[in-house]
Amino acid sequence: SYELTQPPSVSVSPGQTARITCSGDELSTQYGYWYQQKPGQAPVLLIYKDSERASGIPERFSGSSSGTTVTLTISGVQAEDEAHYYCQSGATGGLYYVFGTGTEVTVL
Amino acid sequence: QVHLVESGGALVKPGGSLRLSCAASGFTLSDYYMSWVRQAPGKGLRWLSYLSGDGSVVHYADSVRGRFTIYRDNAKNSLFLQMNGLRAEDTAVYYCARDILGGFDSWGQGTLVTVSS
Repeated sequence: SYELTQPPSVSVSPGQTARITCSGDELSTQYGYWYQQKPGQAPVLLIYKDSERASGIPERFSGSSSGTTVTLTISGVQAEDEAHYYCQSGATGGLYYVFGTGTEVTVL
Repeated sequence: QVHLVESGGALVKPGGSLRLSCAASGFTLSDYYMSWVRQAPGKGLRWLSYLSGDGSVVHYADSVRGRFTIYRDNAKNSLFLQMNGLRAEDTAVYYCARDILGGFDSWGQGTLVTVSS
């Protein structure tokens, strides 16, 4: 299996922009997905197919893709955005799924 | 409204077995692939297995292949995970998730499995 690598942590001031990267070879051919997880809660889908926003997700969350990297951008960060964020993708051939290592976003 | 509710988590001794259930509502289970994902305490998410809507396609992560079995009862709108030969490293919160063929758009609240003597 392959790995998806994320930075362990990102700190950002309220109102600023946070960017979280996710790198992995399969991302050049597979879509990336992004999830938000707050303590004690289940993950919530934010972004699917690299850049499509899931239903009910605020517009400040956006996704992009370039080569073997997908990026989650949170524009105008709010205190409620403090959480862990995970990227996820599938393997070529659809044999399995992989999650990224996770990034803790701290709002200063 | 899509709703997934897991149950069956418990404290079990190493080598023991457990069956997890996931009750689905708000959609027709047979129309979707479904997956199980787990999260060890303080750790990240790990995909375990998926099963197609008609039950004909199944895949497992290397870590559970041969020990865990995913299956479904579409008539009861339920998904299951039979776990045998449990190990301490299987201790985790187990989530069922609706699979949209690439990612997961709905998750249950999770059920805790603790493997300890």
